[in-house]
Amino acid sequence: NAGVTQTPKFRVLKTGQSMTLLCAQDMNHEYMYWYRQDPGMGLRLIHYSVGEGTTAKGEVPDGYNVSRLKKQNFLLGLESAAPSQTSVYFCATDQTGEYGYTFGSGTRLTVV
Amino acid sequence: GENVGLHLPTLSVQEGDNSIINCAYSNSASDYFIWYKQESGKGPQFIIDIRSNMDKRQGQRVTVLLNKTVKHLSLQIAATQPGDSAVYFCAENRGDTGRRALTFGSGTRLQVQP
Repeated sequence: NAGVTQTPKFRVLKTGQSMTLLCAQDMNHEYMYWYRQDPGMGLRLIHYSVGEGTTAKGEVPDGYNVSRLKKQNFLLGLESAAPSQTSVYFCATDQTGEYGYTFGSGTRLTVV
Repeated sequence: GENVGLHLPTLSVQEGDNSIINCAYSNSASDYFIWYKQESGKGPQFIIDIRSNMDKRQGQRVTVLLNKTVKHLSLQIAATQPGDSAVYFCAENRGDTGRRALTFGSGTRLQVQP
C-alpha cells in the first residue's frame, strides 16, 4: 500500500529466535499501530504509538516490544519467538488517531 | 469483553445483485465506525466511515447505515462486481478505552458469483 512499507514480507523463525519487523511511512503521520491477524479472526492491536518517542500497549502486547525512535519508523520486536506468534502482522498509520488507517501489505511470520 | 462482531462469516451473491454485510457492536461509547475491504494477501483498505451522530453515509456504490438503538452497522454494496470479492471488516473507535485505536470485527467473506 502506498505510503506504508513493511519489511520483511515473509519470515520463518525457529522457536526462541528473535527478530524485528520494520514499518516505514512517508506520510508524516503521528499515529502508528501494529496489529496481528490470525485465521478467522479480526485484527488485534499489539502496540501503538501516538508520536515519536512514545509507545503504548494494545490488546495483546505480551511477547512483543516496540520502539519509535524516528517519526517515520515503528519497529516491532520479538525477543524469543513462540509458535503462538505465527500470524500475519500489519502496520497501520493515521494522522490524528480518529480516522481510518492506511495499512501496510503485511508480514507473514511462521514460528516453527 | 465487548466486541465488534459479524452475523455472517460468508456471503455469496450473484454479480449485479446488491450485497448487505452486517456488523453488531456492543459498546455504546463507540463514536466512530469504519468498513474495510481486505483482498487476499493484502492489507485492509478503507471503504467508508461514519460517525455516531449520523445514521447513513453514502459513497461510490457503497452505503453505510448505523442504528445506534440496536447497535448495528451495515455495509451495502450496489451492483456487486467480481472485484468486490474480499473479506470485509467493520471496526469501531471505542471512545471509552482512552486509546485512539480501532477494534476490529472478525470479518465477513463476500463471494461474488459470475
